Amino acid sequence: AQKVTQAQTEISVVEKEDVTLDCVYETRDTTYYLFWYKQPPSGELVFLIRRNSFDEQNEISGRYSWNFQKSTSSFNFTITASQVVDSAVYFCALSATGGGNKLTFGTGTQLKVEL
Amino acid sequence: EAQVTQNPRYLITVTGKKLTVTCSQNMNHEYMSWYRQDPGLGLRQIYYSMNVEVTDKGDVPEGYKVSRKEKRNFPLILESPSPNQTSLYFCASSLYGDSGEAFFGQGTRLTVV
Repeated sequence: AQKVTQAQTEISVVEKEDVTLDCVYETRDTTYYLFWYKQPPSGELVFLIRRNSFDEQNEISGRYSWNFQKSTSSFNFTITASQVVDSAVYFCALSATGGGNKLTFGTGTQLKVEL
Repeated sequence: EAQVTQNPRYLITVTGKKLTVTCSQNMNHEYMSWYRQDPGLGLRQIYYSMNVEVTDKGDVPEGYKVSRKEKRNFPLILESPSPNQTSLYFCASSLYGDSGEAFFGQGTRLTVV
């Protein structure tokens, strides 16, 4: 069975601060995929990144970066110089092969960025 | 524009009154899923489909039905809704199944009274 844990329920930061959202996963599969989604106040789910289990390279996209460490089963997400528009709920998710496109989601982290 | 369209966006209904939430995608994706989102629980998969006429249960299928008669459509049916099915529902589609990015609809907020 798969499991994703996002221990941080809510994080509040002041604009321009850096913030890291933690994600720890559990799976017995050797091939799996990890995702991050953003849910802004408007409610839709926005895809941010996908990473497969064989690619441990960190990735940077603008102010966003992701750190994937198989040794600790973690896939953490960092926002550098946060902005008010980053305020949202962020979900980490896991998909394993043979799962029929089933995403196992964490419970989400509510990020509030204040002026 | 590539999209997943759900209808209705908001629905208030009474216990026991059958309802259908429609989902349609225009990306020719084979994989489609339904999720429900509840506070503190994240999103949980209700049902999924890997192709026309191929559906299977997810983690929380009780009280729901689905059908996949056409590739683009994947309706969610609540035969006899109950208050514990009050939730935010999302339909999703994907081209590559497990490895693929899932595209989500706008969500349907359902309240059962």
